[in-house]
Amino acid sequence: DAGVIQSPRHEVTEMGQEVTLRCKPISGHNSLFWYRQTMMRGLELLIYFNNNVPIDDSGMPEDRFSAKMPNASFSTLKIQPSEPRDSAVYFCASSPRDWETQYFGPGTRLLVL
Amino acid sequence: SQQGEEDPQALSIQEGENATMNCSYKTSINNLQWYRQNSGRGLVHLILIRSNEREKHSGRLRVTLDTSKKSSSLLITASRAADTASYFCATTSGYSTLTFGKGTMLLVSP
Repeated sequence: DAGVIQSPRHEVTEMGQEVTLRCKPISGHNSLFWYRQTMMRGLELLIYFNNNVPIDDSGMPEDRFSAKMPNASFSTLKIQPSEPRDSAVYFCASSPRDWETQYFGPGTRLLVL
Repeated sequence: SQQGEEDPQALSIQEGENATMNCSYKTSINNLQWYRQNSGRGLVHLILIRSNEREKHSGRLRVTLDTSKKSSSLLITASRAADTASYFCATTSGYSTLTFGKGTMLLVSP
């Protein structure tokens, strides 16, 4: 198995632009998680899906952030409009069950200028 | 707020020495997990210990769990330079998903 796949690996954009991050979970995993990691705040859970349904989005910072999971093999995290404070590494992880081991992707390093 | 808090925040040792990291948490848990993160990479799962377990081993890793003290420790024996990374504990409680601490940065010098 290729593991969790994220794209792009790096993204540099200007303030105000739309950013879309993509994730392909491990086949057969029914839970998917989006995290954001910064030096100041550590690793924060943004949202998680179970069987493609958003279960907890309380970590989503504000309305500029949205996430979708149209099918079991694909999810997106969108930021519109982006701001410099959104600069961080965004990780996607998947799990066979939402309270068990999570398998992380390599992350997307986002820089908003 | 963070459920797990790792201690120390940073640890520097020589190759061959043992490294011990601790994690404290606040509420009752279903399980506690340890993850490693190498610089610039995603987190990698190391070991999971359930609330009814007290000790678990995996290779050079030994994890203990004391639910009465709400704490766990991760011991890495005979450390290697390749063990240099950040180590995170994460807990689940009730129907919640993992809550991560801020991690311990381990530096193993040759």
